[in-house]
Amino acid sequence: DTAVSQTPKYLVTQMGNDKSIKCEQNLGHDTMYWYKQDSKKFLKIMFSYNNKELIINETVPNRFSPKSPDKAHLNLHINSLELGDSAVYFCASSQSPTFREQYFGPGTRLTVT
Amino acid sequence: AQKVTQAQTEISVVEKEDVTLDCVYETRDTTYYLFWYKQPPSGELVFLIRRNSFDEQNEISGRYSWNFQKSTSSFNFTITASQVVDSAVYFCALSEAYTNAGGTSYGKLTFGQGTILTVHP
Repeated sequence: DTAVSQTPKYLVTQMGNDKSIKCEQNLGHDTMYWYKQDSKKFLKIMFSYNNKELIINETVPNRFSPKSPDKAHLNLHINSLELGDSAVYFCASSQSPTFREQYFGPGTRLTVT
Repeated sequence: AQKVTQAQTEISVVEKEDVTLDCVYETRDTTYYLFWYKQPPSGELVFLIRRNSFDEQNEISGRYSWNFQKSTSSFNFTITASQVVDSAVYFCALSEAYTNAGGTSYGKLTFGQGTILTVHP
């Protein structure tokens, strides 16, 4: 069974569109995250939820909106997609928000044309 | 300033060679954690190790070993007798404690730039 899963794995869309990426974890973890990995492989935290509470909200355009319906799910909605949004987006989860190792999903490769 | 620096952008070795990936970090906290992750060509990120700032014992796991030295703020990773399957991007990461406006404490993971390791047959 996959511990952290994301859908879709690949997403190709045009500028201006709105899209969502879904993430689910079956590890029973309390904390979930979204990361962005750019073309140079640099990984940066975007958001984190702990028990459905937003605890990390990095400097991210407000076109990006996370939503956590329950502690096993964290979705990422992106409005008005831009070329610069093209990247790999990783979801992750950890047992708690402090210092625990994070387990990552397989990533969603978003390409904006 | 970079909180986590992996000075080696790319390393290329031949199978069975030993290879060390360097990681230098910067923090003012006394309590922090260090991590290594592996990203193979398939793209997923695989957790390798977590180390807290109070435990400077070296760790060995099979062909992998880690050397944590607080005096030099380094957390280096060595692969002994490298294999082609070790080819991947390796990330070192630092987790420091923060408290948000709502009073919730959390650790934020800051990654280094990654080192691309290629092991040739």
